[in-house]
Amino acid sequence: KAGVTQTPRYLIKTRGQQVTLSCSPISGHRSVSWYQQTPGQGLQFLFEYFSETQRNKGNFPGRFSGRQFSNSRSEMNVSTLELGDSALYLCASSKLTGTANTEAFFGQGTRLTVV
Amino acid sequence: DAKTTQPTSMDCAEGRAANLPCNHSTISGNEYVYWYRQIHSQGPQYIIHGLKNNETNEMASLIITEDRKSSTLILPHATLRDTAVYYCIVRVEAGGTSYGKLTFGQGTILTVHP
Repeated sequence: KAGVTQTPRYLIKTRGQQVTLSCSPISGHRSVSWYQQTPGQGLQFLFEYFSETQRNKGNFPGRFSGRQFSNSRSEMNVSTLELGDSALYLCASSKLTGTANTEAFFGQGTRLTVV
Repeated sequence: DAKTTQPTSMDCAEGRAANLPCNHSTISGNEYVYWYRQIHSQGPQYIIHGLKNNETNEMASLIITEDRKSSTLILPHATLRDTAVYYCIVRVEAGGTSYGKLTFGQGTILTVHP
């Protein structure tokens, strides 16, 4: 079956602009999480959505936001871009069975460069 | 989630077993040990997870000590394609406030050489 799909794969934006990244989870997966990866900070959790509700949020400023649609697809938005937002943004989906989390499957990521 | 400690880097000869250690001395009774790896510029890949029993799948084996304060990921016959950063993560399996959240440390850079 198809894996987690993130679009676009690469993006170049200018400081002050905003950007929207998209993530399509594996079919049947209802949980979508977002991560930021930079050389200095490593992989950091941004937020997690389940059934269109944000359930968990990492320590990022309000410029970072997200949403999930009824088909479980998710988008994340970064407003007023800063140079430090340049990173690989990763999306992961999980299939929840009852109250148990299962392993997360990651997409290939979107490489965002802010100039 | 409990904190994990891993060596920064390790080397392994191709065809030999790679044994990657992880310390998680503050692990709680309801926390699982997960292993992921990340090959350069790709998304992390799930390898294996366990609670207290040893686990094995087609990719690797996970050995958890009886006191659960440490674990070892074993790649039985390492290949060049196993060169990657390996992350050991401790997380609550169900419920709680850590839904969908994986807390990544710096991981271990495993280099498999010919």
